[in-house]
Amino acid sequence: DQQVKQNSPSLSVQEGRISILNCDYTNSMFDYFLWYKKYPAEGPTFLISISSIKDKNEDGRFTVFLNKSAKHLSLHIVPSQPGDSAVYFCAASGVGVLNSGYALNFGKGTSLLVTP
Amino acid sequence: DGGITQSPKYLFRKEGQNVTLSCEQNLNHDAMYWYRQDPGQGLRLIYYSQIVNDFQKGDIAEGYSVSREKKESFPLTVTSAQKNPTAFYLCASRNQGAGGELFFGEGSRLTVL
Repeated sequence: DQQVKQNSPSLSVQEGRISILNCDYTNSMFDYFLWYKKYPAEGPTFLISISSIKDKNEDGRFTVFLNKSAKHLSLHIVPSQPGDSAVYFCAASGVGVLNSGYALNFGKGTSLLVTP
Repeated sequence: DGGITQSPKYLFRKEGQNVTLSCEQNLNHDAMYWYRQDPGQGLRLIYYSQIVNDFQKGDIAEGYSVSREKKESFPLTVTSAQKNPTAFYLCASRNQGAGGELFFGEGSRLTVL
C-alpha cells in the first residue's frame, strides 16, 4: 500500500506565481520528509527536507511546510520559473520504521509545468 | 568528483536472459539502495544494503538479486524470474544512520525485447 501519496499528477502554473505541491502520508512513524526534483531519464536530485520537530523549512525560493496532525506536507515555490518544470517527488523515512534501512518511501510524483 | 555511477545507461535484453546493472559510489557511504521507477509511478525499493556483505529485501525484491562485496559497489541482477523487468532503475547511497537524503545515480533504462 502507498504510504506516501501525491494526489495531483500534474500542476500548471504561470511564471512568477506560486506553485504549491501537496503530499500526504499514512505512516505515523515517519519523521523525516524530503522533496526531490526529477527530469526524464535522470536520477532525482534532492531539493529540500524537513524533520518532524519542525513545521517549516525554507531555502531560497523553496519552502516546505509540515502539518503532523494532518499527516500532510507541502512544497511552495515562489516565484515559479520555467526551469522549475519537472516531476517533484515527496519522500519520507523514519527511525521507527522497522526493516527499512532508512530507505525513503516515495509518492508517485507531481509533474509541474511553469509557463512563461 | 564524488558521486554515484550507474552503467549501462541503456540496456536491451531478450526474454529469459539475466542482466546485471552496475552501481559504483565514491562517496564513502555505508548504505546503498536500488529503486525501480515505472511510468506514472513513484520509486519502489528493490533491495538495500547498510553494510558490506549484508543486504535486505525491499518491497519488490522478487526476480532480483544483489551482492555487496565492496563498500563502493552494489550491483543488481535482473533475473529471468522477474516478470516485468522493463523499467528505469535507480541506485542511491547515503551515510549510515537515520535521516539525511539519498544521493542518486543517473539511472539505467532496461528494455526487454
